[in-house]
Amino acid sequence: GENVEQHPSTLSVQEGDSAVIKCTYSDSASNYFPWYKQELGKGPQLIIDIRSNVGEKKDQRIAVTLNKTAKHFSLHITETQPEDSAVYFCAASRGGGADGLTFGKGTHLIIQP
Amino acid sequence: ETGVTQSPTHLIKTRGQQVTLRCSSQSGHNTVSWYQQALGQGPQFIFQYYREEENGRGNFPPRFSGLQFPNYSSELNVNALELDDSALYLCASRLAGGTDTQYFGPGTRLTVL
Repeated sequence: GENVEQHPSTLSVQEGDSAVIKCTYSDSASNYFPWYKQELGKGPQLIIDIRSNVGEKKDQRIAVTLNKTAKHFSLHITETQPEDSAVYFCAASRGGGADGLTFGKGTHLIIQP
Repeated sequence: ETGVTQSPTHLIKTRGQQVTLRCSSQSGHNTVSWYQQALGQGPQFIFQYYREEENGRGNFPPRFSGLQFPNYSSELNVNALELDDSALYLCASRLAGGTDTQYFGPGTRLTVL
């Protein structure tokens, strides 16, 4: 089955700086890669997703890049703000099927004022 | 807000007991998945229901079972509870039409003593 590795487990950045979180996946058939933000006591909230036919996608301060050959994808957050502090999860799936999302173990992002 | 609600918010059970967790999706979301999230980990896929039939399952034993109803609500049942079943249980729903985007509810925190 699919295996998703996520790094780092904790990331502390100064407010206004950029943050990058990286994930690798093992199943070459995976073609859907979402990123979720989870705040304390809440369920995961989708912040951006990308499909394997696209190399990069951007939404305001958030961008995701995908390298299918190397089987890795990254989340980039620019101009970080205190409200960006949360746990971020990457995930992968074959898309359109019934095997669910495989998640990484999460990155605790801390924005220092 | 994702429009996905779950009940109860918290639940405490004793080892060996049975539990039923409930989820209500938005109208038109005909696919629902359930995930188990242990403390400090990413969510793990339990199973998925599409049009009231289970059509995908992760690495969970048969004592984890579910139901989906025509009114877009669903249930997760766990029999013979074990201490390791203590976790946050999340349901996620998808729009009809084959989209891969999953919207998560806030979860039910289950503690098994």
